[in-house]
Amino acid sequence: DQQVKQNSPSLSVQEGRISILNCDYTNSMFDYFLWYKKYPAEGPTFLISISSIKDKNEDGRFTVFLNKSAKHLSLHIVPSQPGDSAVYFCAASDRNSAGKSTFGDGTTLTVKP
Amino acid sequence: NAGVTQTPKFRVLKTGQSMTLLCAQDMNHEYMYWYRQDPGMGLRLIHYSVGEGTTAKGEVPDGYNVSRLKKQNFLLGLESAAPSQTSVYFCASRQGHSPLHFGNGTRLTVT
Repeated sequence: DQQVKQNSPSLSVQEGRISILNCDYTNSMFDYFLWYKKYPAEGPTFLISISSIKDKNEDGRFTVFLNKSAKHLSLHIVPSQPGDSAVYFCAASDRNSAGKSTFGDGTTLTVKP
Repeated sequence: NAGVTQTPKFRVLKTGQSMTLLCAQDMNHEYMYWYRQDPGMGLRLIHYSVGEGTTAKGEVPDGYNVSRLKKQNFLLGLESAAPSQTSVYFCASRQGHSPLHFGNGTRLTVT
């Protein structure tokens, strides 16, 4: 049973518009959520995170929203830029599990100029 | 500051051969992890370590062994490679509950 799901394998948006990437989870023990960005032939890099005690965290063009009752989080990128084209992974962890993170399958974002 | 370094970057093995993937981090992180990524899938945890001399199984440990003899190094071994182990392997480290720092991966093909 996949505990972290990203149901959209791909997303294409126009430069300057908003990109919204979604993630659902099933394990109610998860209390820390992260988004990682991955370019081809590179390792994932940390983008933004949110603790379960918050419902929103913002960092520049990137905002993550958490809806605990729905077990859903989303990443908003505004405005989207061509350099944002990458694979985005949602990850979740339980602070009592040695920091192990469970990853979704990723969403490939393409931002068209 | 190199961060997390993985060697080798690429490797082709024949079925039944063995090899060791090396991960080194220079950030003095306690926790280290080995993940594999298959096409269209997320990262799946193979083994992890919460400190020097300790290791534990992750989600997909079968066919792999690990060792953490020094805090900065985490080795992943394949004793008898199988085609199902064709994948991209990522090492990561973290301190406490900080985000993971990843290496750039090792692309392994088993024929």
